[in-house]
Amino acid sequence: GAVVSQHPSWVICKSGTSVKIECRSLDFQATTMFWYRQFPKQSLMLMATSNEGSKATYEQGVEKDKFLINHASLTLSTLTVTSAHPEDSSFYICSAPTGTLGGYTFGSGTRLTVV
Amino acid sequence: AQKITQTQPGMFVQEKEAVTLDCTYDTSDPSYGLFWYKQPSSGEMIFLIYQGSYDQQNATEGRYSLNFQKARKSANLVISASQLGDSAMYFCAMREGPNTDKLIFGTGTRLQVFP
Repeated sequence: GAVVSQHPSWVICKSGTSVKIECRSLDFQATTMFWYRQFPKQSLMLMATSNEGSKATYEQGVEKDKFLINHASLTLSTLTVTSAHPEDSSFYICSAPTGTLGGYTFGSGTRLTVV
Repeated sequence: AQKITQTQPGMFVQEKEAVTLDCTYDTSDPSYGLFWYKQPSSGEMIFLIYQGSYDQQNATEGRYSLNFQKARKSANLVISASQLGDSAMYFCAMREGPNTDKLIFGTGTRLQVFP
């Protein structure tokens, strides 16, 4: 089945630094990747949609300069959290539509802690 | 406005019993898809079941069935013969319209199965 590999699974960084999260589709081509953020005990909130070869579409209230998304190839989408602050600490998870019933495959998520 | 509503923050069920997790949705588009996902403490998103808006029959997948009541805009998940391993967060999600793959999640229900 379709697999999305997400790395790293967890990361701790200092305030003010940047962190890059990668989502790689292993056995299919992902023209679209959705990026979600999930705070503890809350739902998945859609942050942005990345499309291969074009600019990402951000949801209302999401700072595009802070959360840089790149989708340079059909198998790789990245999310960079720039100048991270403790309030950016969260679980970030990516998802790609697979075109099959059941529709989506998710990465395993990245737990980001900013200290 | 909330598109997907899950009114049960937490549910308890005894092992081997059935449990219903509620989900209501709001859309004016006649074409939509409804999904249920399980999220254990590890954070991974596990697809359980899908119901399309034009599907005539309720979806079933093993111990999972979806009680789809279109007029009431509800898509409740029924888990039969609960197992201890069913303890997790459960999210209802909707893909709205035929021209988008964007998936919007409800707030989730934490299910705890006790012996």
